[in-house]
Amino acid sequence: GNSVTQMEGPVTLSEEAFLTINCTYTATGYPSLFWYVQYPGEGLQLLLKATKADDKGSNKGFEATYRKETTSFHLEKGSVQVSDSAVYFCALRRNNNNDMRFGAGTRLTVKP
Amino acid sequence: DTAVSQTPKYLVTQMGNDKSIKCEQNLGHDTMYWYKQDSKKFLKIMFSYNNKELIINETVPNRFSPKSPDKAHLNLHINSLELGDSAVYFCASSQDTRTGELFFGEGSRLTVL
Repeated sequence: GNSVTQMEGPVTLSEEAFLTINCTYTATGYPSLFWYVQYPGEGLQLLLKATKADDKGSNKGFEATYRKETTSFHLEKGSVQVSDSAVYFCALRRNNNNDMRFGAGTRLTVKP
Repeated sequence: DTAVSQTPKYLVTQMGNDKSIKCEQNLGHDTMYWYKQDSKKFLKIMFSYNNKELIINETVPNRFSPKSPDKAHLNLHINSLELGDSAVYFCASSQDTRTGELFFGEGSRLTVL
């Protein structure tokens, strides 16, 4: 079946550090891949997405590249800020398939 | 204007009671969802409706009953609440059943005492 595995947290970084949150997926066909962010007390917001192999999604300094050969969609940011502290979810949705599957979430804390 | 809005935001109730959570989306989307998020932040899909028709019904106790009066609304009614029902329930919508991202509401935190 379709599934997403992302690195376990929590992840704690100092401000301006480099961030990587790993995400790998299992799916038949060619899914679309997403990163969502959940700030404390809020719902999930789409951070970025990629719909086909080698696409790079980017937003707010975050990037992720859809790698079919390694079935991965790792999230990166060159310099994190305290305001990036949140829970990050990797997700996939197979084309022509209704439900979206989420990873377990990775909590990021950025300290000043 | 909030794209996906759900009410109430907080619910505290006793075991055995019945409660409802309402959801509305103003995005013109065809498909709506209910997800449950547990205390470890794990998200699990419960139900999905497309144009008022139920299309996903995961293994969820019969005490949970969704209702979609029209494609802009999806409500969740829970009977005979149990301690294990305590969670945050998220409503979401997407343009259709095939592709694209989901848009989430802010969540309804249910606490069963």
